[in-house]
Amino acid sequence: EPEVTQTPSHQVTQMGQEVILRCVPISNHLYFYWYRQILGQKVEFLVSFYNNEISEKSEIFDDQFSVERPDGSNFTLKIRSTKLEDSAMYFCASSDSGRDTEAFFGQGTRLTVV
Amino acid sequence: RKEVEQDPGPFNVPEGATVAFNCTYSNSASQSFFWYRQDCRKEPKLLMSVYSSGNEDGRFTAQLNRASQYISLLIRDSKLSDSATYLCVVNLLNSGYSTLTFGKGTMLLVSP
Repeated sequence: EPEVTQTPSHQVTQMGQEVILRCVPISNHLYFYWYRQILGQKVEFLVSFYNNEISEKSEIFDDQFSVERPDGSNFTLKIRSTKLEDSAMYFCASSDSGRDTEAFFGQGTRLTVV
Repeated sequence: RKEVEQDPGPFNVPEGATVAFNCTYSNSASQSFFWYRQDCRKEPKLLMSVYSSGNEDGRFTAQLNRASQYISLLIRDSKLSDSATYLCVVNLLNSGYSTLTFGKGTMLLVSP
């Protein structure tokens, strides 16, 4: 069964450092997403990406965040200068349509900022 | 007002019980609706889509009432393996692109 894969599974970084979270979406999917979940809280939308550009982003996705699809398979989330409050589980997801279809989630990267 | 609101939980039920989850959403422009399941420290996984006509998948039944902006999930004959957090998810289309909005989830604990 095709799946979304994320690396690393756990990343610990010092405050102020840059981190890049990596995702390989399902190969025939065209729409890509990042979500985050702070421990004990709900899953929150960060950004959606289609046709090599951001299609939607939330208020959380400020100038410290960026996304990129550097090649045909990877989809990355970069946080330029991490803050303690960026500590969360980050989920990548992909879907084959931007409309009503299911989004498949990766297993997540747990980011801990110390 | 919270965009997607669910019963706070947790629900503690014995095996074999029937349990119902409720969810309301605030944006009447929401287009599609889902129940996801999330195990502890794992990713959300789609349990089922929710349609206005109601839909059933084995022991699981989902209902949608667009007029009331209300979604429900019924689990019959609950199993130990049903223990998880159930997430009500609403898909809002903006300019043709979907944005999934999640409720906080309701935890279900099924005991022997």
